[in-house]
Amino acid sequence: NAGVTQTPKFQVLKTGQSMTLQCAQDMNHNSMYWYRQDPGMGLRLIYYSASEGTTDKGEVPNGYNVSRLNKREFSLRLESAAPSQTSVYFCASSEAGRTMGYTFGSGTRLTVV
Amino acid sequence: KQEVTQIPAALSVPEGENLVLNCSFTDSAIYNLQWFRQDPGKGLTSLLLIQSSQREQTSGRLNASLDKSSGRSTLYIAASQPGDSATYLCAVTQGAQKLVFGQGTRLTINP
Repeated sequence: NAGVTQTPKFQVLKTGQSMTLQCAQDMNHNSMYWYRQDPGMGLRLIYYSASEGTTDKGEVPNGYNVSRLNKREFSLRLESAAPSQTSVYFCASSEAGRTMGYTFGSGTRLTVV
Repeated sequence: KQEVTQIPAALSVPEGENLVLNCSFTDSAIYNLQWFRQDPGKGLTSLLLIQSSQREQTSGRLNASLDKSSGRSTLYIAASQPGDSATYLCAVTQGAQKLVFGQGTRLTINP
């Protein structure tokens, strides 16, 4: 099925470990996003990429880095995981142009101990 | 800074009732508004997208309205069913196509 695919679905890390969350979309969308969802905080934008080759910070970028590898793939890296980064991470994509909606992946549930 | 508020935070109704979920936003300079559904432990499913120039959108038993000048949107669900139980999120799109989300309304439909 066409859509946004995230891997892994679950991950447990120890404090200080690093990892990369992968995201790929097959809808030929230009824009891709990473959000985190925390109880009581809603979904907050971490980083986004308006088009291939560009990335920009969102509301909560500290502790994260991103790479727009190509038009399909947008990865999120935690260099030194902290318990405050325990969250559910969602990747999304949209077509350029503000009249289009968004498609979300199924999420990665990350726990940092 | 745009803020999106959803009221109520939780709602429980008997099956078959019609219901309304509310969403308000502080900055009327939006490009569009989108309603999503989220089942427990799952991702977000887009339900309806309303452009800033539109007043409403309909899909099956769902109808969403938008009053941009007053900063309000409603999601109307007709003849509710237990399968409608989920968290409903509204989000507005502003500059650079970034979504700003409300915190959601957790809806329970009782058989």
